[in-house]
Amino acid sequence: DGGITQSPKYLFRKEGQNVTLSCEQNLNHDAMYWYRQDPGQGLRLIYYSQIVNDFQKGDIAEGYSVSREKKESFPLTVTSAQKNPTAFYLCASSPPIDMNEQFFGPGTRLTVL
Amino acid sequence: GQNIDQPTEMTATEGAIVQINCTYQTSGFNGLFWYQQHAGEAPTFLSYNVLDGLEEKGRFSSFLSRSKGYSYLLLKELQMKDSASYLCAGMDSNYQLIWGAGTKLIIKP
Repeated sequence: DGGITQSPKYLFRKEGQNVTLSCEQNLNHDAMYWYRQDPGQGLRLIYYSQIVNDFQKGDIAEGYSVSREKKESFPLTVTSAQKNPTAFYLCASSPPIDMNEQFFGPGTRLTVL
Repeated sequence: GQNIDQPTEMTATEGAIVQINCTYQTSGFNGLFWYQQHAGEAPTFLSYNVLDGLEEKGRFSSFLSRSKGYSYLLLKELQMKDSASYLCAGMDSNYQLIWGAGTKLIIKP
């Protein structure tokens, strides 16, 4: 089955630790995205990538980093510089970035204690 | 600035019809998306409008008026499983999605 996987579903970390969230897709999509979702707010774009080895900052990139070494994979690292990291993180992918729908993974709920 | 506005919460009765409105302001416009999101799950695509008018897809329809910066999602024959949040998103000139906060739809028997 084609789709997007994110793991783990729930993640707990201590304050000050970096943590990496995984995102893998086998849809052969070029573009991949990371969003953050907080209660009562719309999805906010953290980073996106249109092609391997290239990525762009979104609206709230501070405190996050990404890599795109393979077409299928777009991991997100939440660093200790992110002031309020507890949130629901969603990864998405789409065919070339124009007017196409985005397909979402199941999300990772990160809680920083 | 760019902005998407939609009601925070709506309540409807099973079997009825509900209309969820969305107004948008984007830098350029490349279409309007509607997604459904059940609590704790991923958003799933419902519809895409780029031209004015109504697009019908089964029990769900979506309408767009570009001159008014307005869209609505119409859900007919409501079922309990339709209880979810409905997200409106406008695509700007850079093909980035600008997301509304979502409308939580509560269906009562």
